[in-house]
Amino acid sequence: NAGVTQTPKFQVLKTGQSMTLQCAQDMNHEYMSWYRQDPGMGLRLIHYSVGAGITDQGEVPNGYNVSRSTTEDFPLRLLSAAPSQTSVYFCASSPTYLRRGNNEQFFGPGTRLTVL
Amino acid sequence: AQTVTQSQPEMSVQEAETVTLSCTYDTSESDYYLFWYKQPPSRQMILVIRQEAYKQQNATENRFSVNFQKAAKSFSLKISDSQLGDAAMYFCAYHNAGNMLTFGGGTRLMVKP
Repeated sequence: NAGVTQTPKFQVLKTGQSMTLQCAQDMNHEYMSWYRQDPGMGLRLIHYSVGAGITDQGEVPNGYNVSRSTTEDFPLRLLSAAPSQTSVYFCASSPTYLRRGNNEQFFGPGTRLTVL
Repeated sequence: AQTVTQSQPEMSVQEAETVTLSCTYDTSESDYYLFWYKQPPSRQMILVIRQEAYKQQNATENRFSVNFQKAAKSFSLKISDSQLGDAAMYFCAYHNAGNMLTFGGGTRLMVKP
């Protein structure tokens, strides 16, 4: 198993550009999520999905879109990049979204995004 | 909304000694999970230990153990026999009924040889 993979590892954008951060998992996990980590801070949830076709907003969703057409993939789209979106982005997945189930989240290696 | 607070931005410990990292949280829920994650310089997030709020017994994983005080909303991590490889950022996290993880601001742990 490759686990959770993210591409690209690094990206530099200009203000106003759009792009998609890719996330894929090969563990047949129900739950997938996107976080951002700003310097000196913990991770903050952007969007999450409890299954194909189902997504919901997290703590900081503005400026980002997601979709989940397959169990494996959960791309994050930046519609019009802004300097405030400079951050490290992590994708994560877990076997189930149920709290009483196996809800350990497995994280990808992160994407460092800089918006100029 | 839940909040998670880690009041120690940095901690240091001598190799082979014991250190405790603090975490408090605010919630009105009675059923939830708590986690400690480790983030080494590689940036990879690694699960250290997990605690279920409905279980009285404190979780233990080898050299890592927690002191879970539900009434006080406190969830500290104890690392025994500290090793150089334990040096990292440590994040406390709360898993709520809405399927969301809320992270604290982190504690940087330095291990002195």
